[in-house]
Amino acid sequence: AQSVSQHNHHVILSEAASLELGCNYSYGGTVNLFWYVQYPGQHLQLLLKYFSGDPLVKGIKGFEAEFIKSKFSFNLRKPSVQWSDTAEYFCAVNTPHSGGGADGLTFGKGTHLIIQP
Amino acid sequence: DTEVTQTPKHLVMGMTNKKSLKCEQHMGHRAMYWYKQKAKKPPELMFVYSYEKLSINESVPSRFSPECPNSSLLNLHLHALQPEDSALYLCASRSLHDTQYFGPGTRLTVL
Repeated sequence: AQSVSQHNHHVILSEAASLELGCNYSYGGTVNLFWYVQYPGQHLQLLLKYFSGDPLVKGIKGFEAEFIKSKFSFNLRKPSVQWSDTAEYFCAVNTPHSGGGADGLTFGKGTHLIIQP
Repeated sequence: DTEVTQTPKHLVMGMTNKKSLKCEQHMGHRAMYWYKQKAKKPPELMFVYSYEKLSINESVPSRFSPECPNSSLLNLHLHALQPEDSALYLCASRSLHDTQYFGPGTRLTVL
């Protein structure tokens, strides 16, 4: 079974500060990795994903993440945050499927990010 | 278009009521999911349908009954729920590229 750890449950930053949110997963095989964001009162939106290839992936709204296989990590970064980045951020994993198979996402507990103007 | 729609947005029901939640996607995705999200917690997987067949049931109590009438539609039938079942119920569908897209959810309150 997979598990996901997010190290920071609450993060408070000022606008223009740099952001890094940690995510580690536990699973012996190949995984797909995701970061989702949930803005207040809104639904989960995909920020970015990693399946294979270049370990540095770029997502929407200026976010990026780096997959480090040796550390089982997939940390989320943004060079300069904005007030509108205030939200809940979830790291998630599942196992790759081809054909008709499908499994659910295993989420970390989330990081509540507050950006102060 | 990556839209998953869910109805109703809000639902209040008594413990003896029977109600249903609906989810729809028109992206041609062949896997659909139900998740439950309690306040300030991550979503937890409940059910997975793959090609309209139930493939995963995460030991969900029988008062929750999923149904997949066709490849675009997913229902969750509710009966005799408990107050602790109050939560946000999320539907998702999965693309061929293993990416899940979520609907806005139904916020359920059980009195």
